[in-house]
Amino acid sequence: EVKLVESGGGLIQPGGSLRLSCAASGFTVANNYMSWVRQAPGRGLECVSLIYNTGTTYYADSVRGRFAISRDNPKNTLYLQMNSLTVDDTATYYCTRGLGFGDNSWGQGTLVTVSS
Amino acid sequence: EIVLTQSPGTLSLSPGERATLSCRASQSVNRSYLAWYQQRPGQAPRLVIYAAYTRATGIPDRFSGSGSGTDFTLTISRLEPEDFAVYYCQQSGPSSMYTFGQGTKLEIK
Repeated sequence: EVKLVESGGGLIQPGGSLRLSCAASGFTVANNYMSWVRQAPGRGLECVSLIYNTGTTYYADSVRGRFAISRDNPKNTLYLQMNSLTVDDTATYYCTRGLGFGDNSWGQGTLVTVSS
Repeated sequence: EIVLTQSPGTLSLSPGERATLSCRASQSVNRSYLAWYQQRPGQAPRLVIYAAYTRATGIPDRFSGSGSGTDFTLTISRLEPEDFAVYYCQQSGPSSMYTFGQGTKLEIK
């Protein structure tokens, strides 16, 4: 069974840093297109970062230069390092596999709240 | 970046009626890279349609997708109570950032 479990969210002050983790089971992270999608309270979905099986990465303009996506192959885990956080980064962050393709799956999400 | 615009923003219909949701792209999207998601309150999104017209696993056949180029449509032939939710289109064009539409809320009339 494919499973994605996010962790690492919480309350953080503006300007702070946070690292989100996504532990995967039932498939190999390194062989898949993986992404982080966020949803601000009451708002729509935004793909903020993705990493191809080749290791190529992409970022939304809103986070480029502040966020970094990576993976730990032995741990089969995806990460999102978030720096210089602002109130606009407050959202539920979802880890996804195969966004837009037939093998797509989502985690349950982790809430990040940026507030002083 | 490809911008996806969904219409209408809100659609009010009754169970048993037909729903037609639209997604327009700012530039042509290969139909292999156009998907639709359903999101119910408090839940993660769920893939409904991928490659423009292929139903995801477990999705009933009252859901269908169509379109090409810059115009795509999600149709629900006969609405069931569990279909009332927010629907998003999304493109996964190669060598570029993925983007979502702003969503269409399908509500009970």
